[in-house]
Amino acid sequence: SQTIHQWPATLVQPVGSPLSLECTVEGTSNPNLYWYRQAAGRGLQLLFYSVGIGQISSEVPQNLSASRPQDRQFILSSKKLLLSDSGFYLCAWSVRPSGANVLTFGAGSRLTVL
Amino acid sequence: DQQVKQNSPSLSVQEGRISILNCDYTNSMFDYFLWYKKYPAEGPTFLISISSIKDKNEDGRFTVFLNKSAKHLSLHIVPSQPGDSAVYFCAAITSYSGAGSYQLTFGKGTKLSVIP
Repeated sequence: SQTIHQWPATLVQPVGSPLSLECTVEGTSNPNLYWYRQAAGRGLQLLFYSVGIGQISSEVPQNLSASRPQDRQFILSSKKLLLSDSGFYLCAWSVRPSGANVLTFGAGSRLTVL
Repeated sequence: DQQVKQNSPSLSVQEGRISILNCDYTNSMFDYFLWYKKYPAEGPTFLISISSIKDKNEDGRFTVFLNKSAKHLSLHIVPSQPGDSAVYFCAAITSYSGAGSYQLTFGKGTKLSVIP
C-alpha cells in the first residue's frame, strides 16, 4: 500500500534562517506531488506541484522553492524565512487515474517563524 | 477570487443530530467534488466525493448532495458523533483539465463541533 512521509513534524526557526521540509512517497511510481500550506483562516493553499522529476510548477509568488530530486521525493525550501512563512505545510500525492480520492496528504509540518 | 466558498467558519451540533456543512463554487468547469476531514496537527483525510453526473453519494453516515444549477454542495452527517469534531474542507477539480496533475481548489474549511 502507498504511504507518505513528511518531516520534520514541528519546526521553530528564526526569521532569515533557511528551511528544508522533506516528503517521500512509498508504494507508487511517478506520482504527482504537491506542497500545500494551511495558514490561519486561509484554508489550504497550493504552493507547488510536480508531475515528474525536476518538473516544478509554482502557484503563488513567494520566497519558497521546491525541488524533486527523485521520483518519490519532494522538498520545500527557503533561503531566508519570513514571519509570514509560518503555517502548517502539507505534502500530498496523486496518481492518474486516481479513483474517488484525488489527493492523499501527509501528516503535515508545523512551521513557526519567530 | 475564491472559487470554492465555505461561508460558515464553524458549526456546533448536538450529538445524535444531523450536521449539514455547505459549500458553494463559482467555476462551472468543476466536475468533481470532494470532502476532506482534518484533525488538529494532522493532514486532511479523504471523506467522500461526488461526480457532477450525480446529485447524491452516500457512504454510511455521510451523504454528499450536489446541486449543479445552484453550484452548491452539502455534506450531511447523520447521526453526528463527538469523533466527527474536526475541520471539514470542501474541494473541487476540473478532471479533464489536461494539466497532467490534479489541482484541487479548496474552501477555507468549516470547523464542526459535536457536543456530547
